Amino acid sequence: DVKVTQSSRYLVKRTGEKVFLECVQDMDHENMFWYRQDPGLGLRLIYFSYDVKMKEKGDIPEGYSVSREKKERFSLILESASTNQTSMYLCASSFKQDYNEQFFGPGTRLTVL
Amino acid sequence: GQNIDQPTEMTATEGAIVQINCTYQTSGFNGLFWYQQHAGEAPTFLSYNVLDGLEEKGRFSSFLSRSKGYSYLLLKELQMKDSASYLCAVMDSNYQLIWGAGTKLIIKP
Repeated sequence: DVKVTQSSRYLVKRTGEKVFLECVQDMDHENMFWYRQDPGLGLRLIYFSYDVKMKEKGDIPEGYSVSREKKERFSLILESASTNQTSMYLCASSFKQDYNEQFFGPGTRLTVL
Repeated sequence: GQNIDQPTEMTATEGAIVQINCTYQTSGFNGLFWYQQHAGEAPTFLSYNVLDGLEEKGRFSSFLSRSKGYSYLLLKELQMKDSASYLCAVMDSNYQLIWGAGTKLIIKP
């Protein structure tokens, strides 16, 4: 059974804290993605990675960075958390091919106070 | 700009049929996806269309018309467990997914 796991389901942080969200997949996928999901909006892509140590900015990268040191792990970093980063964060992975169905993790609901 | 439109919410009755529409305007087209997302859970893949026509998969079918920038997801013999949000997403010319805001489907007994 394919699996994408995320380090926390719920997280509460204070403004200005550095926040790490971890994502691990066990499907040997090349591609990994970080999205945020807010009410009334579609999923918005923050960053993605097509290979180890490789990263590309998505639509809303400001205030975020990522790290991919191993194929199975993709980390999202909020350098200095702000209240407007309160959201649901979803990690996804897929094979490197044109038709790339994405498999999602359960999500991390982050609240920044 | 790129845009995906789908109704915010729909209500249907258990055992009935419901059609959820999705219209899109994107820079290029490399396929359209439908995902199901139960409240508090991850989206899960339902269907993929890249050619015009209807794809049937059990109680669920998905239709695509590329010339009209239009797709629909058809759910038959509705069950209470079908209560969820249904997300439409289009893969653009850069093979990136552009997502709609989702349609919340409420099933009533």
